[in-house]
Amino acid sequence: GAGVSQSPRYKVAKRGQDVALRCDPISGHVSLFWYQQALGQGPEFLTYFQNEAQLDKSGLPSDRFFAERPEGSVSTLKIQRTQQEDSAVYLCASSLGQGGTYEQYFGPGTRLTVT
Amino acid sequence: AQSVTQLGSHVSVSEGALVLLRCNYSSSVPPYLFWYVQYPNQGLQLLLKYTTGATLVKGINGFEAEFKKSETSFHLTKPSAHMSDAAEYFCAVTNNFNKFYFGSGTKLNVKP
Repeated sequence: GAGVSQSPRYKVAKRGQDVALRCDPISGHVSLFWYQQALGQGPEFLTYFQNEAQLDKSGLPSDRFFAERPEGSVSTLKIQRTQQEDSAVYLCASSLGQGGTYEQYFGPGTRLTVT
Repeated sequence: AQSVTQLGSHVSVSEGALVLLRCNYSSSVPPYLFWYVQYPNQGLQLLLKYTTGATLVKGINGFEAEFKKSETSFHLTKPSAHMSDAAEYFCAVTNNFNKFYFGSGTKLNVKP
């Protein structure tokens, strides 16, 4: 079956441009997570959705970052006025539910390069 | 606040040798602990997890890890390394399954 997909896989943006990164979770998965992975680092939590509700956005680094999941399935991470420090791989993960029983399934990521 | 420390950003072992990847965590409440593997150009894949119950957990591909509360550790081991184990490994912790904290990763190299 299909896993978590992310698009685009690679994105180059000029500093100051806005970007939108898409995540298609596994069908029926309730929980959705976004992470930022800088080069040589582990994933850093950005935000968490349960269905359409954004229950935790404490990891978003600034008000330039915005995430939504309006219908409880596809999610979009938007970064406004991109800066060089935004260059990273953005990972999306989904799980069937919340709690220890449920495994997070990760997408391949979107590599964002801000020039 | 929670955090994860992975000692050794690069570990190199010979094929057939023991694999030991170290993970220490800090958490003010009982943690739930995970190990993930990442192959190049692929997403992270769950190897194993500790939530409750037995402190020695077994995962896929012959890996296992032991939760040691007194040492705040969750080290990953495999008795005999295989060439296909070469990848990057991440330890992660959460206490509520909403927010996960990952270590900075350990790249495992397996020499023939």
